[in-house]
Amino acid sequence: AQSVAQPEDQVNVAEGNPLTVKCTYSVSGNPYLFWYVQYPNRGLQFLLKYITGDNLVKGSYGFEAEFNKSQTSFHLKKPSALVSDSALYFCAVRGPNDYKLSFGAGTTVTVRA
Amino acid sequence: DGGITQSPKYLFRKEGQNVTLSCEQNLNHDAMYWYRQDPGQGLRLIYYSQIVNDFQKGDIAEGYSVSREKKESFPLTVTSAQKNPTAFYLCASSITGTSGVAYEQYFGPGTRLTVT
Repeated sequence: AQSVAQPEDQVNVAEGNPLTVKCTYSVSGNPYLFWYVQYPNRGLQFLLKYITGDNLVKGSYGFEAEFNKSQTSFHLKKPSALVSDSALYFCAVRGPNDYKLSFGAGTTVTVRA
Repeated sequence: DGGITQSPKYLFRKEGQNVTLSCEQNLNHDAMYWYRQDPGQGLRLIYYSQIVNDFQKGDIAEGYSVSREKKESFPLTVTSAQKNPTAFYLCASSITGTSGVAYEQYFGPGTRLTVT
């Protein structure tokens, strides 16, 4: 069975500071990993994904994520957070032979001005 | 929200009534999905369909039904058998990749269903 853990329900940072949202996963085989963002009462927007290759993946809106196979982690990062980054962030994983995505419970990010 | 429409945005029903949520996509995607979102629980997969006229149960299919008669459409019916139907429902679609290729899912804006 595949699963995702987002250990922090909430992350609070000041605008201009680095932002990190943590994600660890469990899956059989090589993982396909995704990050999504959700604004209130909206659908999810795709940020980035890791399939293979470079461990550092760059995505939309200045976000990046680092894949660490030994730690089974895929943390989302942004060097300088903006107030507009305040939202709910989801990490998701699927195995190489599965069509289903498993989502974490989500992390609420609040960036204060 | 990437070419996927869900209607209505808000839906209110009395307990014991079936209700159908609409999902339409113009992305020419083969695969479509229905998720349920509850506070603090992330997204849980209800049903998914990789191709027209075929669909599979997800993790929480009890009390729900779907059909996939057209590539563009994947309606979800919440039946009276669903014990706790009040939730935010999200539809998604994606390209169906072969093994080793993982395409991201695109999500609709969601329908918030309230059953009283």
